[in-house]
Amino acid sequence: EDKVVQSPLSLVVHEGDTVTLNCSYEVTNFRSLLWYKQEKKAPTFLFMLTSSGIEKKSGRLSSILDKKELFSILNITATQTGDSAVYLCACGLTGGGNKLTFGTGTQLKVEL
Amino acid sequence: NAGVTQTPKFRVLKTGQSMTLLCAQDMNHEYMYWYRQDPGMGLRLIHYSVGEGTTAKGEVPDGYNVSRLKKQNFLLGLESAAPSQTSVYFCASSYWPFGLAESSYNEQFFGPGTRLTVL
Repeated sequence: EDKVVQSPLSLVVHEGDTVTLNCSYEVTNFRSLLWYKQEKKAPTFLFMLTSSGIEKKSGRLSSILDKKELFSILNITATQTGDSAVYLCACGLTGGGNKLTFGTGTQLKVEL
Repeated sequence: NAGVTQTPKFRVLKTGQSMTLLCAQDMNHEYMYWYRQDPGMGLRLIHYSVGEGTTAKGEVPDGYNVSRLKKQNFLLGLESAAPSQTSVYFCASSYWPFGLAESSYNEQFFGPGTRLTVL
């Protein structure tokens, strides 16, 4: 059975802190790893990673994938209250349907 | 472009009632998906479609039916609602992957969700 596990389940930080969110996976038809941000409604796409060791960056957010150890991390530097959200990790699968298997998410709250 | 839209936004049903959730996308995507999201469970795939006229079961298909009569629409039906189907339902769509860059594979675009309560 495919598994995507995120940690921590939730955390509270203060503005300006740096946070690291973790995602480990065991899936049989792995193609890619995706990160989404979910603020109240629809998840919005952040990153897709397909190669080990290549960091992707967007502003204060960055992510990297380790396909040997089967995990990814999402870093957020200089956090702001607008970063408060649930961060979802998903594995993109090969085979028909272009499907995703999601983790349960990490709830991040950034306080002043 | 509206992207992915869902109707209704909220609905309350009594046990045994039926209803249909509508998903529409204007991005000409081949693939469409229905998920449910429950506290502590993440997003779980109910059914999906790889093109007009096709449907397939996902991880949690029991109690739901789907139809894809038009490429832009994907309908999710509950024939006899149960309290266990209380959830937030998300629709998503994605590109046909073949011939596209590696970076386009697997990204899905989500609708705003439908909050369903079954009493």
